[in-house]
Amino acid sequence: EIVMTQSPATLSVSPGERATLSCRASQSFGSTLAWYQQKAGQGPRLLIHGTSTRATGTPARFSGSGSGTEFTLTISSLQSEDFAVYYCQQYDNWPWTFGQGTKVEIK
Amino acid sequence: EVQLVESGGGLVQPGRSLRLSCAASGFTFDDYAMHWVRQAPGKGLEWVSSISWNSGTIKYADSVKGRFTISRDNAKNSLYLQMNSLRDEDTAFYYCGKDSGHSLIASTHPDYWGQGTLVTVSS
Repeated sequence: EIVMTQSPATLSVSPGERATLSCRASQSFGSTLAWYQQKAGQGPRLLIHGTSTRATGTPARFSGSGSGTEFTLTISSLQSEDFAVYYCQQYDNWPWTFGQGTKVEIK
Repeated sequence: EVQLVESGGGLVQPGRSLRLSCAASGFTFDDYAMHWVRQAPGKGLEWVSSISWNSGTIKYADSVKGRFTISRDNAKNSLYLQMNSLRDEDTAFYYCGKDSGHSLIASTHPDYWGQGTLVTVSS
C-alpha cells in the first residue's frame, strides 16, 4: 500500500497570498495523482488530476506539480472561497490511498 | 450537470446490516466506473470500493473485504453498497463517486462526488 503524507497539517494564509501544499508518497509512481478540495458539510471536489491537469471548472490560480514521490499543490493568490481542506490521492496502485489532508485557514 | 445522491444511512447496531444507495443523473451511468469512499467524522478520506461499468471488475479495501458488497443497476442509474457485520469503526460519511472512465485502469480517476450519507454504528 502506498502511504500518502501531507504537510503541513494546517496552513494559515492571508487572502491574496500564495499557498503551497505538499504531498509525499512512500514509493514512487507515475503521474496518477489527484488533488481534492473539501468544504465543511460537502463531498470532495476534484481540482487536479494527472498531477498537473486542472479539472473542469478549476480556476487557473490552482496548479499542481511534482513527480516520483513528491507532489505539490500551489494556490497562487488565495481567495475567500479557497479556505478549505485539501487532500491528495494516488490512483496508481490498489488500494487507492489519500493523504490525511491539509487545512488552509485564514490568517 | 452530474448529480450523485446517496441515501440509506442511519443508526445501526454492531453486527447488523445496512444498504446504501446512490442515485446518479446528468451523465450516461453505464459508461462509467463508480466508487465509494468514506470519512469518519472529523477525519480524512478512505477509499472503500470500486466497480467497473459492467460490474466485471470490482475492488475492495482490506478493511471491508468479505463484509461489504458493491453493485450497480445500470437500468436504474444506481450504485449500491451492501454493508454486513458492521463494526463501530465503520461509522462514517459514505460518498459515492463517478469515475472519468469505464474500466478501473490506472489512467482514470474519480471526477465527481456526492454529498454523502452518514452511517453510525453503535449499540
